[in-house]
Order: sequence, then structure tokens, then C-alpha cells
Amino acid sequence: GENVEQHPSTLSVQEGDSAVIKCTYSDSASNYFPWYKQELGKRPQLIIDIRSNVGEKKDQRIAVTLNKTAKHFSLHITETQPEDSAVYFCAARGTNAGKSTFGDGTTLTVKP
Amino acid sequence: DTGVSQNPRHKITKRGQNVTFRCDPISEHNRLYWYRQTLGQGPEFLTYFQNEAQLEKSRLLSDRFSAERPKGSFSTLEIQRTEQGDSAMYLCASSLDAGQSEKLFFGSGTQLSVL
Repeated sequence: GENVEQHPSTLSVQEGDSAVIKCTYSDSASNYFPWYKQELGKRPQLIIDIRSNVGEKKDQRIAVTLNKTAKHFSLHITETQPEDSAVYFCAARGTNAGKSTFGDGTTLTVKP
Repeated sequence: DTGVSQNPRHKITKRGQNVTFRCDPISEHNRLYWYRQTLGQGPEFLTYFQNEAQLEKSRLLSDRFSAERPKGSFSTLEIQRTEQGDSAMYLCASSLDAGQSEKLFFGSGTQLSVL
């Protein structure tokens, strides 16, 4: 089955700096890669996603890149703000597969 | 709030008791998922339904766990003879199967504590 590894497990940055979170996956058939943000005590919420036929996607301060050959994808947050502090999860889903496999999360702390 | 609704929010039970959780998905969503999350870990897949059909179950799901979605709308997850290792947040998510991508909308979860 699919295995998703996520690094780093914790990340601390100064407000205004950039943050990068990386994930690798094992199943070359995976074709959909979402990122979820989970604030303390709240539900995970999708913040951005990318399909395997696209190398990069951007939405304001958030971007995701995908390298299918190397089987890794990354989340980039620019101009970080304290409200970006949360746990971020990457996930991978395969063709015709119902389930998404999640990484173990990265706790991002943005210091004002 | 027209999002995914889960009840109860918290459940405390004694080891050996049975518990049942309910999930009401977003009304037009045909897929419904159950995940389990423990502290410091990502959501772990348990099972999912497309309409009323249960299409996949995790091999981690022992025979003490059973899920239903009888009319293709709400779903229940039952855990029989609970064990302390069952303590976790149980998350429900729903999605509209669009083929090309599948955005999951999560509920707030049911926090289970087994004493």
C-alpha cells in the first residue's frame, strides 16, 4: 500500500519568512496530492491540492510543487504570518483508489 | 452549518463497553470516510462508502469495528468491546466523487477515551 513520509515534524520560522514542508510517497500510481491545515482542536481543512499532470500550483502565499519522477511534493508558504501556525498534513491518493494516505504532519510555528 | 457533522463530540467509556458514533455528511456528497487520528499522527484510514456500499476497509480495522451507511446518507461507526488502544479522535469526512480530484471535507470528530 501507499506510504507517505513528511518532513520536518516541527518547523519554527520568524514572521515574514518562508516555510517549506516536504513529503515523499511510495506508490507511483498516486495521482492526487492534497495538503490540509489543522489548527489546534479543529478539523483538518484543505488548503491546496495538485494533480499528477501538473508540476506546480500556486494560490496567493501558498504553492505546491510535485516531482513525479522522484515521488516527492512540497508545500511552500511565503511571507508567513502568526495565523499560519498550525499542523500541516500532506496526503496522496491513487487512481481509482478511495482512500487518501496521510503523512504524520508538520507543526509550524510562526513567531511574531 | 452545512458542513460534516459528527456526534457526539466526546465519549468516555469503560473498557469492554460498546460505543457508536454518527456522521452526517454534506448532503450532496456520495462518498463518506472514517479516519482515526491519535496525537502527533496523521489521519489513519479506516473505511469508506460510496453511497450505501462499503468499498474498502483497512486491514487495521479489527472485527470489533463495524460501519454502516444504510441509506447512503448518514453513517455510524460502532466499536464493540472497547480497548484502551481505541482511544483516539475519530474523524468522518465526505466528498463528491468527481473522478479527477477528491477534496475531503472533515467533521470536527468524536474524541473517544477508553478508561
